[in-house]
Amino acid sequence: GAVVSQHPSWVICKSGTSVKIECRSLDFQATTMFWYRQFPKQSLMLMATSNEGSKATYEQGVEKDKFLINHASLTLSTLTVTSAHPEDSSFYICSARDVGFGNTIYFGEGSWLTVV
Amino acid sequence: AQSVTQLDSHVSVSEGTPVLLRCNYSSSYSPSLFWYVQHPNKGLQLLLKYTSAATLVKGINGFEAEFKKSETSFHLTKPSAHMSDAAEYFCVVSDNFGNEKLTFGTGTRLTIIP
Repeated sequence: GAVVSQHPSWVICKSGTSVKIECRSLDFQATTMFWYRQFPKQSLMLMATSNEGSKATYEQGVEKDKFLINHASLTLSTLTVTSAHPEDSSFYICSARDVGFGNTIYFGEGSWLTVV
Repeated sequence: AQSVTQLDSHVSVSEGTPVLLRCNYSSSYSPSLFWYVQHPNKGLQLLLKYTSAATLVKGINGFEAEFKKSETSFHLTKPSAHMSDAAEYFCVVSDNFGNEKLTFGTGTRLTIIP
């Protein structure tokens, strides 16, 4: 079946630095990908919708200058957390829509970000 | 607008007994509904989905869910729980307007008692 891969699985960075998380659809093309944030023992919160070749659509309350999203190809979207702070520490999950398989949405394994 | 309510934050059942995880939805239009499972520190795996075809949907690992429009419910069931079913389960609704924006429930943690 379709697979969505995220990299890295976990990352530790220093406060003030930037970190990039990649989301790849491995065996299908995804014009639309989604980025979520999940706090411990809570549900997923949609951060933004990433559209190939155009600007991402951010949810209300999500800082677009802090969470940079780039969807440069049909199989890759990246989330860059800029000037990270400890409160940005979280589990970030991406998903991708497979239009060739009934518009099914598949999720990546997630990426743990810890800002120290 | 759409929303999902998972009525139980935590469900415990004994191994071999039935599982029932409850979900009610609200949607202005005909929705698509999904159940996803998340094991600790992992991403989400699709269990099953309803997209206006058969109201009884069979998924992986013996799970199934029934779409009941009159009750606005999409409860997840399994006849016999297995230890490996212990995980967090999310009921999800999509608005079917092409943007496939998913709205998640708050999740139900399923614990299996040996």
